[in-house]
Amino acid sequence: DAGVIQSPRHEVTEMGQEVTLRCKPISGHDYLFWYRQTMMRGLELLIYFNNNVPIDDSGMPEDRFSAKMPNASFSTLKIQPSEPRDSAVYFCASSLLGTGGYEAFFGQGTRLTVV
Amino acid sequence: SQKIEQNSEALNIQEGKTATLTCNYTNYSPAYLQWYRQDPGRGPVFLLLIRENEKEKRKERLKVTFDTTLKQSLFHITASQPADSATYLCALTSHDSWGKLQFGAGTQVVVTP
Repeated sequence: DAGVIQSPRHEVTEMGQEVTLRCKPISGHDYLFWYRQTMMRGLELLIYFNNNVPIDDSGMPEDRFSAKMPNASFSTLKIQPSEPRDSAVYFCASSLLGTGGYEAFFGQGTRLTVV
Repeated sequence: SQKIEQNSEALNIQEGKTATLTCNYTNYSPAYLQWYRQDPGRGPVFLLLIRENEKEKRKERLKVTFDTTLKQSLFHITASQPADSATYLCALTSHDSWGKLQFGAGTQVVVTP
């Protein structure tokens, strides 16, 4: 397996625009996580899914953020409208927790810059 | 509120010495604790996992201890090498939020020859 795949790797957008980040988890994994990393706040958990169902979205900062997982092989994180303070590296991770695979596998991240 | 705290100051250490990192937590009933390594521009990579009923785990030059009374985990890198230079993050999963994996901010380790 190629690992967790995120796209795009880099995104530069203007304030007010919609941004969509994409993630393909490792095949067969049952948990998917979205994190945001900044120097100030570290690695924050935004939302996580179990078998495509959102379990906890308490880390989503505002209603401007939304995440979906329409099937087991694809998830999106959308920011609409984007603001400069959303600039960060966004990571997607997956794990096989349901069968005792506690290790989370991370993608390479998407570096988002909102100007 | 739940907190996971790691030293924010970088740890500078000489090659061959042992690096010791600390992870403290509050308001968690931890099921297990993990340590990850993160290199610049990359996602975190899993290193070790220790369960609540375990005191110590080892993997090659790495050792993790877990004290649920002190609410603390220590992470040791013995015989450190320049290639060990990275940021190390601890992560917790709690009994009451099964599956929820939350991270500390990480501690940077710099190993000089």
